[in-house]
Amino acid sequence: DAGITQSPRHKVTETGTPVTLRCHQTENHRYMYWYRQDPGHGLRLIHYSYGVKDTDKGEVSDGYSVSRSKTEDFLLTLESATSSQTSVYFCAISPGQGSVTQYFGPGTRLLVL
Amino acid sequence: KNQVEQSPQSLIILEGKNCTLQCNYTVSPFSNLRWYKQDTGRGPVSLTIMTFSENTKSNGRYTATLDADTKQSSLHITASQLSDSASYICVVSADRGSTLGRLYFGRGTQLTVWP
Repeated sequence: DAGITQSPRHKVTETGTPVTLRCHQTENHRYMYWYRQDPGHGLRLIHYSYGVKDTDKGEVSDGYSVSRSKTEDFLLTLESATSSQTSVYFCAISPGQGSVTQYFGPGTRLLVL
Repeated sequence: KNQVEQSPQSLIILEGKNCTLQCNYTVSPFSNLRWYKQDTGRGPVSLTIMTFSENTKSNGRYTATLDADTKQSSLHITASQLSDSASYICVVSADRGSTLGRLYFGRGTQLTVWP
């Protein structure tokens, strides 16, 4: 998985609790992304980062926040988890934009009860 | 509306046979088109990336074609193997100049290869 780890790999939580997912890379890539994948939908971008402390929203950012204090770590936080946020979350990295490959992590399965 | 449509939704073939997966898109302005393979329980892995000027690209037994005029792409798998069983995702990137190109993901074709 191209030097990308995600933690935790599985999590069960209750509605209303905060949840933080971590993405860690060892490739020193500039760009990092958080996606969610749900049945019947393609991967959808939540947030992305183009450098330390530089982040921007994706198409489904409501209810999520991110932080990137170091090149290697990109955190996704659900401030108050809802059942609609039950999903598989993928982190991805790339060295640049344009016609550049994105490398995906192994995913985190999140169940919000 | 920018969209990526893949067909068929699912496909079952016998080991050793060839198959072709289709991707139609309406994304504009076009930047590039990617095919990913996603094994069950794992993240997607890139197979090919094609820009406007490329109409075919191979990666081992995988060959992708692109017709930018008709906005269609196909992924041809030759001599299928059991390990080819996976979801194949077509992704089209929109050119937004200096800002991050927006990626549009298809829902994938689920391929099952039977022995």
